[in-house]
Amino acid sequence: DAGITQSPRHKVTETGTPVTLRCHQTENHRYMYWYRQDPGHGLRLIHYSYGVKDTDKGEVSDGYSVSRSKTEDFLLTLESATSSQTSVYFCAISDRQGVSQPQHFGDGTRLSIL
Amino acid sequence: GQNIDQPTEMTATEGAIVQINCTYQTSGFNGLFWYQQHAGEAPTFLSYNVLDGLEEKGRFSSFLSRSKGYSYLLLKELQMKDSASYLCAVRDNQGGKLIFGQGTELSVKP
Repeated sequence: DAGITQSPRHKVTETGTPVTLRCHQTENHRYMYWYRQDPGHGLRLIHYSYGVKDTDKGEVSDGYSVSRSKTEDFLLTLESATSSQTSVYFCAISDRQGVSQPQHFGDGTRLSIL
Repeated sequence: GQNIDQPTEMTATEGAIVQINCTYQTSGFNGLFWYQQHAGEAPTFLSYNVLDGLEEKGRFSSFLSRSKGYSYLLLKELQMKDSASYLCAVRDNQGGKLIFGQGTELSVKP
């Protein structure tokens, strides 16, 4: 299994509070991704990173920011959480882009915004 | 636009064969992936196709036709543990990001 750790695994918080999710990898992979998974929508890309301090927006980036100060850590921040951001969040990593390398996923964070 | 279609649910019998279809319309194409996801768990990689034809991996095979924008995942000798969601994903050629379909929930019955 790819060495990917997401923390926390579960979180319940209130609308308007800031939330930070962490993805930590031990594979030294260049690419890291944050997805959200909701019923009826499948996995949707929020933000991704192609190197330290290099990030870009995905399909559903509004309300989210990311940071990558080290190869092994990719943080996802909800500056002011809303109920629509209740979801399961998955981090993924891959070694190379544009070739057959698959993305490998962490175990997910279940986030509930009340 | 980007669109990937899969059936929402399928049911099959233990020991049988099942085919899960995926059709796609994307602005670019740089390969198609299949993932398996058990309830409450992470998606795990099953197969990758970038050229037309069939790729076989044990009980699982995946087929691709780029001209038709079509792929299928074939599962043989179904086992109860194959009950899961199966996700089709297309890699685009703008940064190589994955675009996922909604997934097909497969239930294997005794």
